[in-house]
Amino acid sequence: EAGVTQFPSHSVIEKGQTVTLRCDPISGHDNLYWYRRVMGKEIKFLLHFVKESKQDESGMPNNRFLAERTGGTYSTLKVQPAELEDSGVYFCASSQRSGRAHYEQYFGPGTRLTVT
Amino acid sequence: GESVGLHLPTLSVQEGDNSIINCAYSNSASDYFIWYKQESGKGPQFIIDIRSNMDKRQGQRVTVLLNKTVKHLSLQIAATQPGDSAVYFCAENNAGNMLTFGGGTRLMVKP
Repeated sequence: EAGVTQFPSHSVIEKGQTVTLRCDPISGHDNLYWYRRVMGKEIKFLLHFVKESKQDESGMPNNRFLAERTGGTYSTLKVQPAELEDSGVYFCASSQRSGRAHYEQYFGPGTRLTVT
Repeated sequence: GESVGLHLPTLSVQEGDNSIINCAYSNSASDYFIWYKQESGKGPQFIIDIRSNMDKRQGQRVTVLLNKTVKHLSLQIAATQPGDSAVYFCAENNAGNMLTFGGGTRLMVKP
């Protein structure tokens, strides 16, 4: 079974440009999460989808970040316009809808975003 | 690698020794705790978990201890191997939603 995949693995953009990150969760996982780790800090939660609905977006830093999960499958995270402080590693995770497995989140390899 | 710019406490152990990695968590209402291992270029990988109604749980070569009184979590790795070298994160989870991560500890295993 394929794990969580993320694309691209690394993106280098200039300040003010737009970048879109993609996450493909494990097939059948209704829960999809975005996290990020910026320079020198711990991994922080951004938002949580249940299928196509945003369950919790309390961690989104500002309105330059837009996450979507049309159709409840893959998700995209767009940063527009990117700022220097957005540099970091963006992780996606997924988990099953219910039961004990609901808690166990499987992470993708991350996308390293560098804003210059 | 991913850890550039990330200054982590480091635990250095000799191959074959036991390792103990500690973590303090913040939310006394958290009901589920997880240890993740992250190798260079990869995402966090689940190691072991524990519910708040337990104080100890054992896996293969790993044991997690939970002390709710002082909000402390530890990961013990028996007979540490070079392949255990990685960054280890504790995380707390409340009601199955977001994970709150600790800062991480880098484990270096000397052959």
